[in-house]
Amino acid sequence: DAGVTQSPTHLIKTRGQQVTLRCSPKSGHDTVSWYQQALGQGPQFIFQYYEEEERQRGNFPDRFSGHQFPNYSSELNVNALLLGDSALYLCASSLGGGRAPTDTQYFGPGTRLTVL
Amino acid sequence: AQSVTQLGSHVSVSEGALVLLRCNYSSSVPPYLFWYVQYPNQGLQLLLKYTSAATLVKGINGFEAEFKKSETSFHLTKPSAHMSDAAEYFCAVSDRGYSTLTFGKGTMLLVSP
Repeated sequence: DAGVTQSPTHLIKTRGQQVTLRCSPKSGHDTVSWYQQALGQGPQFIFQYYEEEERQRGNFPDRFSGHQFPNYSSELNVNALLLGDSALYLCASSLGGGRAPTDTQYFGPGTRLTVL
Repeated sequence: AQSVTQLGSHVSVSEGALVLLRCNYSSSVPPYLFWYVQYPNQGLQLLLKYTSAATLVKGINGFEAEFKKSETSFHLTKPSAHMSDAAEYFCAVSDRGYSTLTFGKGTMLLVSP
């Protein structure tokens, strides 16, 4: 049973560029959440997708956007990159639209983004 | 807004010693609480979660945590540390209505032989 997979593993960009990160959820899961983990910090919630719509959003600017495809996979897009966007980006999947606070989220290994 | 605070960014123990990682929560309503572990270059793995069914929660790899409302705490313990327990541990709380998680800053557990 494949777990959550993310690509690419590492990415280096320069300020002002745009980046797209990809996530495939655990088999059978229909809900995808994205988190940003800065160095030395805990993950911070960016947004959650269910039924191809953004259902919940954390305190992140509009430069951060996403998409969910019919096969439940998801993309995270960041425009106009800033140095402060350098972080590990984690994708998590779950089942049921994120409506139950006790749902377990399964995390992927992350994509490490470095902005120079 | 709900939040968690993890006391101690680093905890060092000897192999075989008791592991105690501290987490305090701030919430106006009974929270749902989680402990995750992150090994180097890996994603987060769920150790255990509190869903109000029982105050003492047993998780994987011999870890357990006790929910104490009077102390607003959910500390993680393991009776005997193993070298393989060396990792970063995160306490998290979920919103009452949704499954999104708010994490603490993490505690790095170092285990010496």
